[in-house]
Amino acid sequence: QKEVEQNSGPLSVPEGAIASLNCTYSDRGSQSFFWYRQYSGKSPELIMSIYSNGDKEDGRFTAQLNKASQYVSLLIRDSQPSDSATYLCAGSNGGSNYKLTFGKGTLLTVNP
Amino acid sequence: DAMVIQNPRYQVTQFGKPVTLSCSQTLNHNVMYWYQQKSSQAPKLLFHYYDKDFNNEADTPDNFQSRRPNTSFCFLDIRSPGLGDAAMYLCATSSRTPDGLGNEQFFGPGTRLTVL
Repeated sequence: QKEVEQNSGPLSVPEGAIASLNCTYSDRGSQSFFWYRQYSGKSPELIMSIYSNGDKEDGRFTAQLNKASQYVSLLIRDSQPSDSATYLCAGSNGGSNYKLTFGKGTLLTVNP
Repeated sequence: DAMVIQNPRYQVTQFGKPVTLSCSQTLNHNVMYWYQQKSSQAPKLLFHYYDKDFNNEADTPDNFQSRRPNTSFCFLDIRSPGLGDAAMYLCATSSRTPDGLGNEQFFGPGTRLTVL
């Protein structure tokens, strides 16, 4: 069964620190990975996607993918209280499968 | 702006009274999804359509049905809601890519269903 596991959290960091969110996956066929941010009571919002090994940076966010270790991470630099949310990791094995397998999410709190 | 719209945002129904939730999109995406999300849980996929090709998840209860009359609209029908169906219902869309990568899914704001 395909699974995506996230560090359970909750994770608490002070404002300005780096928040590190981690995710492992069991399906070696997974090709695409996504990080969603979900504020309480709101819908998930896509913040990063990554398909290749290595790092991908977008502003304060860096996604990292290591397919050999089946590991995906999201770093948030200069964390802000507005980053406080649940972060969902999701993977897809592409092809004709348009489905995402979601992790259970990690609740991040950034303390002012 | 291109977007995914869901109506209503909040729906209250009585036990056993059918409800229909709607989703529309202006992204011109060919894949549409319905998810159920309960508190502190990951979204659970109920169905997805690739164009008009309907795909039902094996564990989606028969109580849930879906229609996609055209590429822009999709409906979720709950025929006899039970207390356990109270949840956030999320519609999402994505666009098929030739290389199979991508598949970013974009979510609507959700419909919060309360069953009394």
